[in-house]
Amino acid sequence: DQQVKQNSPSLSVQEGRISILNCDYTNSMFDYFLWYKKYPAEGPTFLISISSIKDKNEDGRFTVFLNKSAKHLSLHIVPSQPGDSAVYFCAASGGNQFYFGTGTSLTVIP
Amino acid sequence: NAGVTQTPKFQVLKTGQSMTLQCAQDMNHEYMSWYRQDPGMGLRLIHYSVGAGITDQGEVPNGYNVSRSTTEDFPLRLLSAAPSQTSVYFCASSLSGLNTGELFFGEGSRLTVL
Repeated sequence: DQQVKQNSPSLSVQEGRISILNCDYTNSMFDYFLWYKKYPAEGPTFLISISSIKDKNEDGRFTVFLNKSAKHLSLHIVPSQPGDSAVYFCAASGGNQFYFGTGTSLTVIP
Repeated sequence: NAGVTQTPKFQVLKTGQSMTLQCAQDMNHEYMSWYRQDPGMGLRLIHYSVGAGITDQGEVPNGYNVSRSTTEDFPLRLLSAAPSQTSVYFCASSLSGLNTGELFFGEGSRLTVL
């Protein structure tokens, strides 16, 4: 049973606009959350993370929001750039195992 | 800085054959893990290790063996390959593996089992 879910397989956004990628989780024991970006034929690369003691973390154009009561996190990319086109995975950890979502393919249209 | 290195990048096997996917990291990371990526399934954890001599099962361990004799290496063995094991395999490492650090991934190994 999928403990981390990304319900949107794909998303298209115009360059310069905001991209919002969503992720839901079911295990309330998860206390650390990460977003990864993956280009074709490459391994995933770390983008940004957030601990459960926070509700927001920013790094440049990327912001992750965590809503613990809703078991929901989101990644905001502002402004979106064509180079952001990739598959984005959210992941959650509550110990020694990281659980990944199924990914959202983001296309930023120039 | 090599990071996480996986070999081979591509492999074709026949059903019943065995093989080993190699993974090596040069970052002195204690935690290493193997994932498989399948369409619509995301990344699923096969096995992981929190240090030399210690391994444990992830979500989908059946049909795979691992060992961790050194900090640097974490090979994944397929004992008797099946078509269901056709997938892209990723090795990943982390400094401690606990919920404080990011995973560093290799470039992946694409395995096809006929």
